[in-house]
Amino acid sequence: GAVVSQHPSWVICKSGTSVKIECRSLDFQATTMFWYRQFPKQSLMLMATSNEGSKATYEQGVEKDKFLINHASLTLSTLTVTSAHPEDSSFYICSAFSGGVSRDTQYFGPGTRLTVL
Amino acid sequence: GNSVTQMEGPVTLSEEAFLTINCTYTATGYPSLFWYVQYPGEGLQLLLKATKADDKGSNKGFEATYRKETTSFHLEKGSVQVSDSAVYFCASILTGGGNKLTFGTGTQLKVEL
Repeated sequence: GAVVSQHPSWVICKSGTSVKIECRSLDFQATTMFWYRQFPKQSLMLMATSNEGSKATYEQGVEKDKFLINHASLTLSTLTVTSAHPEDSSFYICSAFSGGVSRDTQYFGPGTRLTVL
Repeated sequence: GNSVTQMEGPVTLSEEAFLTINCTYTATGYPSLFWYVQYPGEGLQLLLKATKADDKGSNKGFEATYRKETTSFHLEKGSVQVSDSAVYFCASILTGGGNKLTFGTGTQLKVEL
């Protein structure tokens, strides 16, 4: 149980285009999802907290117009990188928090490697 | 505030060696503590967790004990395997803290034959 998937697992795009990344909780309902960014050989940087049915809460320094987050259902959150540039190339990881039995545990997706040319 | 400090890597060990990766935390309350593992090119997997003082989390031969007196949650394994090569993250979460995980910087473990 507690499986989180991400799609796509990797994507290459041209500078200036937008890219959407999906995060799904497959066998539980996720009241809260988190989006992280990870640079090579570094820890995870929390970008935003996504709550179902409400606006995302962004961490300081993260541009909300650049990284659009939508959490339209209890099993799906999407991150759209708008007008992507090479500096947006990174590994993006989502996690889902169920608030259920293991209410303090986040379950992570496998990550999406974004490369912007 | 809430913070997690873990030992710098990389750590290189021979197969069957004993592993310790140190982790200490600071928190204004009593956090739950976690170890996550990240294999190359993958997301994070929960390895083990402990929710209160003196709890011991264990999984796949790894263990960590929540020590309130030393504010520590060191990861140990008695005999590592090549397949344990990965990056290990210590993390904490405070109840009522927006459910946000605070991560350590990660420790890369390389196990050689």
